[in-house]
Amino acid sequence: QSALTQPASVSASPGQSITISCTGTSSDVGYYSYVSWYRQHPGKAPKPIIFYVNRRPSGVSDRFSGSKSGNTASLTISGLQAEDEADYYCISYTRSNTLLFGGGTKLTVL
Amino acid sequence: QVQLVESGGGVVQPGGSLRLSCEASGFIFSDYAMHWVRQAPGKGLEWVAGISFTGNSKYYADSVKARVTLSRDNSKNTMYLQMNSLRTDDTAVYYCARGEWWGDFDYWGQGTLVTVSS
Repeated sequence: QSALTQPASVSASPGQSITISCTGTSSDVGYYSYVSWYRQHPGKAPKPIIFYVNRRPSGVSDRFSGSKSGNTASLTISGLQAEDEADYYCISYTRSNTLLFGGGTKLTVL
Repeated sequence: QVQLVESGGGVVQPGGSLRLSCEASGFIFSDYAMHWVRQAPGKGLEWVAGISFTGNSKYYADSVKARVTLSRDNSKNTMYLQMNSLRTDDTAVYYCARGEWWGDFDYWGQGTLVTVSS
């Protein structure tokens, strides 16, 4: 199975908003609402920021939000901060009873 | 607090074997599904395998299915990943993660590095 498709990189200035897309197929993103998002700083383990398409885990800022339309899930980060500069990954459960990550998106805060 | 500690990584020759362990603490281990996720140097995350909270159900990525076996011992709060016929492209940091059957990994370990090289 091919990875879910994410843009390789996005960039924006502090205070702005960005959206990262995660495109799959009707057998994964389009079939289930089991899409989650993770943030990873260099040399660190990933941390969860969105579960089940649009639910924030406890302690995650409300600047993070998720959505889904058809085969594409999206992560929006509002009010960008320097600490948001990191790699972001989506993952979806699939009809093959496996899990599939996106290729990752590097967010640069200018 | 929830802690996941991976161990067992190291340097192994192509064709060799390794067993990774993930020891959990700070929560009721037998209440959660567990997963392995790996990250090759400079690359993205790749889901490797997952196991149900009882250990009765296991599922694997196609890239490793024929070469790995996932197990858990709820009495020892530990999950294991037996990896055989290792290839150079198995070189990665291997993370264990607590989650649900469908993902939603809420806690991750710090990872253990596996290097497959001659």
